[in-house]
Amino acid sequence: NAGVTQTPKFQVLKTGQSMTLQCAQDMNHEYMSWYRQDPGMGLRLIHYSVGAGITDQGEVPNGYNVSRSTTEDFPLRLLSAAPSQTSVYFCASRIQRESSYNEQFFGPGTRLTVL
Amino acid sequence: AQSVTQLGSHVSVSEGALVLLRCNYSSSVPPYLFWYVQYPNQGLQLLLKYTSAATLVKGINGFEAEFKKSETSFHLTKPSAHMSDAAEYFCAVSDNFGNEKLTFGTGTRLTIIP
Repeated sequence: NAGVTQTPKFQVLKTGQSMTLQCAQDMNHEYMSWYRQDPGMGLRLIHYSVGAGITDQGEVPNGYNVSRSTTEDFPLRLLSAAPSQTSVYFCASRIQRESSYNEQFFGPGTRLTVL
Repeated sequence: AQSVTQLGSHVSVSEGALVLLRCNYSSSVPPYLFWYVQYPNQGLQLLLKYTSAATLVKGINGFEAEFKKSETSFHLTKPSAHMSDAAEYFCAVSDNFGNEKLTFGTGTRLTIIP
């Protein structure tokens, strides 16, 4: 299993440009999520999904869109990039099972710079 | 609302010395608590978790943490630091065992002095 994969690893954008950060997992996990990591702020939840066709907002959703058409993929879209979106983005996935603890598995991250 | 506070954004210890990373939580319900480690240029990896089964939790790489309800703490310790322990460590809390929307602390960067 490749686990959770993210592309690209690095990206530089100009203000106003759009782009999609890709996330895929091959573990058949129902739950997938996106976090951003900023210095001194830890990780903050952007959006999450509990299954194909179901998404919801996290703590910091503004400026980001997501969709979940398949179990494997959960892309994060920046519609009009802003310098405040300069960050490291992590995708994570886990089994969705209410009766027990389910460890989240994180991807290696995408480092995004918006000029 | 739940939250965690990590005291000390940077901690340095000598190789072989005790590692102590502090985490205090705030939660209106019995919490589920976690420690994650992030090695340079990598994603986060679960070190250990507290899910109310036992107050002293043992994790990977010789780390352990003790849940102290009276102190609202979940400090991470390791008796003898190794150079490979150099990383950033995050404490996290969830108020739901299965529906795990984690709230992370701001992280502590651990440096090991040879």
